Formats: sequence, structure tokens, C-alpha cells
Amino acid sequence: DSGVTQTPKHLITATGQRVTLRCSPRSGDLSVYWYQQSLDQGLQFLIHYYNGEERAKGNILERFSAQQFPDLHSELNLSSLELGDSALYFCASRRGPLTGELFFGEGSRLTVL
Amino acid sequence: DQQVKQNSPSLSVQEGRISILNCDYTNSMFDYFLWYKKYPAEGPTFLISISSIKDKNEDGRFTVFLNKSAKHLSLHIVPSQPGDSAVYFCAASAHFSGAGSYQLTFGKGTKLSVIP
Repeated sequence: DSGVTQTPKHLITATGQRVTLRCSPRSGDLSVYWYQQSLDQGLQFLIHYYNGEERAKGNILERFSAQQFPDLHSELNLSSLELGDSALYFCASRRGPLTGELFFGEGSRLTVL
Repeated sequence: DQQVKQNSPSLSVQEGRISILNCDYTNSMFDYFLWYKKYPAEGPTFLISISSIKDKNEDGRFTVFLNKSAKHLSLHIVPSQPGDSAVYFCAASAHFSGAGSYQLTFGKGTKLSVIP
């Protein structure tokens, strides 16, 4: 158990819909990262938040947005969903902004039909 | 542009033998490298890391080797055990990348099967 909690574990929805994925980092961790893993792909970096502030954006679509709340949990919002958005979405946390390994949650599997 | 490449999608090894997983990178700014292991239905878990100031790091049965001139690193598992069967991801970062983000760039993974 990494201490990172993601909900929901599985989500099935239709094209055009909007979903929210939730992440609770390890206790005391201020950094939250979101990654997407599509079929046969590695983990693609989406976005990084540190203590409520956005620190970096990766290959995140404009239809996707995220935020980190004062209690440090984070949400990833995916809107106008397309079939190609079907993927595993991982959240990871770390204590600081720079050093150490990332601790990953179990992921949220999104299926868009 | 794939900056971290794991060219072998899968690898099968006999129990007790050595497993060697390879990883190549193209970004010369990368200075910190990690290996993660992932079981089905679980998130990736950290295995071992190496800084660019070293060429080897060992932790029990796991050793990571870094060849900076070749932009190549490898993970050695000796002896391999059936419980090591998993997908192994290589990851890299530019430790002081802009905006203090330190995101990890991952390869696509290598599925290791250790045969009893």
C-alpha cells in the first residue's frame, strides 16, 4: 500500500461526458502528479501540483483540467470525452517538489464507450 | 519523440537465472534514473534509482548500471524469482528541470516473466 488513494477504481462512461477523478496523496506529501497510461504506452505525464499551485504541465489536453485543494487532495477533470481518452489514470505523490521517488496510487481505469 | 525507450516489450527468464532489462534515453539533461515495477491492477512501485554521478547502484538482488556516454541503463535481477514477474518501467528526470517540477519521463515498460 503506497498510501496514495485514488477513486473511482473503474469508470465507464459515454463519449461527450465529463468525469472527475480524485486523488488523496500520502500523508504529508505536498506534490501531486497525474499520469495517463493508454494501451501499449508508457506513463505520460499530465500535470504537477505542489501545495495547491500548478508547477508544470505535460501532454495534457485542453479538455482536461486539474486542481489541488487546501487539504492537498487533487482532482482531474476530463470533459467532452472521446474514445481515445480510455486509459488508466495514475496519481502519484511526493513530499517535496524536487527530490525522491514518486509514490503511485492504484489508478483509475476510464472506459469511454 | 520518445525520450526514454525500452525496446524489449517482453522478456522470459528461468528461475534462478539473471534477468537483464535495458533502457535507452535521448535527453542529455536527464540526471536521475529510476526503475519501477508494476503488477496487474496495482500502481507502479519504486524499485531502485541511480544518480548520474554514479555508474552502479545495488540493492539486494537488484542492481542498476548507468552508461552515460551510451545513454543506456540496465537493471539486473539476480537470482530471478517467480515473484519478480511484472512489468518494469524505466524512468528518468532532469533533476533540476524548469519550474521545479521534476516530473518523471517513463518508458513503455518491459514485461518480465520468470519461469519456475
